[in-house]
Amino acid sequence: AQSVTQPDIHITVSEGASLELRCNYSYGATPYLFWYVQSPGQGLQLLLKYFSGDTLVQGIKGFEAEFKRSQSSFNLRKPSVHWSDAAEYFCAATPFSGGYNKLIFGAGTRLAVHP
Amino acid sequence: GAGVSQSPRYKVAKRGQDVALRCDPISGHVSLFWYQQALGQGPEFLTYFQNEAQLDKSGLPSDRFFAERPEGSVSTLKIQRTQQEDSAVYLCASCEDRDSNQPQHFGDGTRLSIL
Repeated sequence: AQSVTQPDIHITVSEGASLELRCNYSYGATPYLFWYVQSPGQGLQLLLKYFSGDTLVQGIKGFEAEFKRSQSSFNLRKPSVHWSDAAEYFCAATPFSGGYNKLIFGAGTRLAVHP
Repeated sequence: GAGVSQSPRYKVAKRGQDVALRCDPISGHVSLFWYQQALGQGPEFLTYFQNEAQLDKSGLPSDRFFAERPEGSVSTLKIQRTQQEDSAVYLCASCEDRDSNQPQHFGDGTRLSIL
């Protein structure tokens, strides 16, 4: 079955430290991949997306993600975390089918940032 | 505003009551999705509309859930005879086109609590 796994439920980092959030997918073929961020009481905001081509994708707010086909992974990174980055992060995937994009989400990783 | 608007933001209902949740997508967006997000989980797909046509309702958990988009713009998700397990945040998203490489724009959600 198609699935997205985020192994880390909760991560805490210090402000200014680097960050990596893990995401693994299980699909028959490489899907389209997304990272979304959700602040409390808010909807989901798209950080970045991967469709094809360059495996290192740049997004908003200084985030980037690297697609690794051999590991079925799409990890999110940021070199220096800011206190405002505290939120919940969701990895999502949709089949590369040319049709509508029904997203399958991971369970999310909650990021806490210490001053 | 130009974003996806959902109302009400919060809804409290007694078990057994019917509820209706509204979504105003971004003007001109062809695709509209409903997702259900249980506490501490990632969103899960409920149903998809392309204009006024409901093309996928495979995620609706029971026949108590019903969605419509009669004129291809505003959509309503209705839950009949609500149960406690229906308590969740209901997210609506719209997409400019039907292609799977188009990003979805999410509303802030309706938090439904069933007492």
